[in-house]
Amino acid sequence: AQKVTQAQTEISVVEKEDVTLDCVYETRDTTYYLFWYKQPPSGELVFLIRRNSFDEQNEISGRYSWNFQKSTSSFNFTITASQVVDSAVYFCALSETSGTYKYIFGTGTRLKVLA
Amino acid sequence: GAVVSQHPSRVICKSGTSVKIECRSLDFQATTMFWYRQFPKQSLMLMATSNEGSKATYEQGVEKDKFLINHASLTLSTLTVTSAHPEDSSFYICSASLQTGNYEQYFGPGTRLTVT
Repeated sequence: AQKVTQAQTEISVVEKEDVTLDCVYETRDTTYYLFWYKQPPSGELVFLIRRNSFDEQNEISGRYSWNFQKSTSSFNFTITASQVVDSAVYFCALSETSGTYKYIFGTGTRLKVLA
Repeated sequence: GAVVSQHPSRVICKSGTSVKIECRSLDFQATTMFWYRQFPKQSLMLMATSNEGSKATYEQGVEKDKFLINHASLTLSTLTVTSAHPEDSSFYICSASLQTGNYEQYFGPGTRLTVT
């Protein structure tokens, strides 16, 4: 069965601190996609990144970086020098690569960045 | 590109009435659309998958007679909550997929339903 675990329910940091959001997944597929989404209080999901299972290169985009390790089935997300605007719920998701390519979402991590 | 809209963004209805939510892919043709429900402080739960011109596939535990899904065209899917009750109050999110390439889903902004 496919599963995504975000063990951190809520994290609070002070502005300018670095923070890492953990994501661990389970799948029997050899090909799959992993995603991170941000959901601010408005509710609209904001796409952050998509990673193919064959691409283990880490990625950096501004203050955001992602560490994908197939050996530990993890796809962690780090925000460097956090800002108040980073406060949101962050979801990690896994996509099947058969059938209808459904997404399996983790339970989300609520990040609060305090000024 | 890949913009998905939902209408309405917010709706309040009385218990026992039905409400329809529209999901449109604005700049691409979506062969598959997905409907999710999100309760406060919870994750997105997939309700159903719909392919254009065919019946929707509902996830286990979702009442198909209560949540009617129609995907009549490649750019429009509708979710009708029939005989709504307060426990149906939730945030409903749709997504659309091209079902080619990486099969990525593009999400709508969501519809907040409140049943009084």
